[in-house]
Amino acid sequence: DAGVIQSPRHEVTEMGQEVTLRCKPISGHDYLFWYRQTMMRGLELLIYFNNNVPIDDSGMPEDRFSAKMPNASFSTLKIQPSEPRDSAVYFCASLTSGSNNEQFFGPGTRLTVL
Amino acid sequence: GENVEQHPSTLSVQEGDSAVIKCTYSDSASNYFPWYKQELGKGPQLIIDIRSNVGEKKDQRIAVTLNKTAKHFSLHITETQPEDSAVYFCAASTSGTYKYIFGTGTRLKVLA
Repeated sequence: DAGVIQSPRHEVTEMGQEVTLRCKPISGHDYLFWYRQTMMRGLELLIYFNNNVPIDDSGMPEDRFSAKMPNASFSTLKIQPSEPRDSAVYFCASLTSGSNNEQFFGPGTRLTVL
Repeated sequence: GENVEQHPSTLSVQEGDSAVIKCTYSDSASNYFPWYKQELGKGPQLIIDIRSNVGEKKDQRIAVTLNKTAKHFSLHITETQPEDSAVYFCAASTSGTYKYIFGTGTRLKVLA
């Protein structure tokens, strides 16, 4: 298996633009997680899905952030409009329920908002 | 909700020495405690985990201990090597939720 796939790996955009981050979980995994990593706040859970349904979005910072999972093999995290303070590395992770709880992380998307 | 504290934030050791990273958690319902290693430019990767029904677990040079009463758990790396240099994260989770609360991370530097 190729592992969790994220795209793009790097994104540079200007303040006010819409940004869409993409994730393909490991095939067969039924949980998907979006995290944000910054020096100041560490690894923060933004939202997670089970069987494509959002379970907990309490970590989503504000209405500018939205996430969708239209099917079991694809999820997006959208920021509209983007702001410089959104600059961070965004990780997607997946796991299969009934396993040992291990979350498998993707390589991350480094977002820079100018 | 759960809160996980991790210490130290940075740790430098000489190659061959041991390294210890400590975490405390607040929610007594937490029963799964993974440790992740993150190398530069990569996503975190699981290196060892422990469940609340076990006090200690070892995998070659890496061990984790858990004290449920005190609500703390520790990562021990023996005979450290330069390739152990990375950021290490502890986390706490409750079975069935699959939601992790991560500590703030420890940057380990192994000096050759």
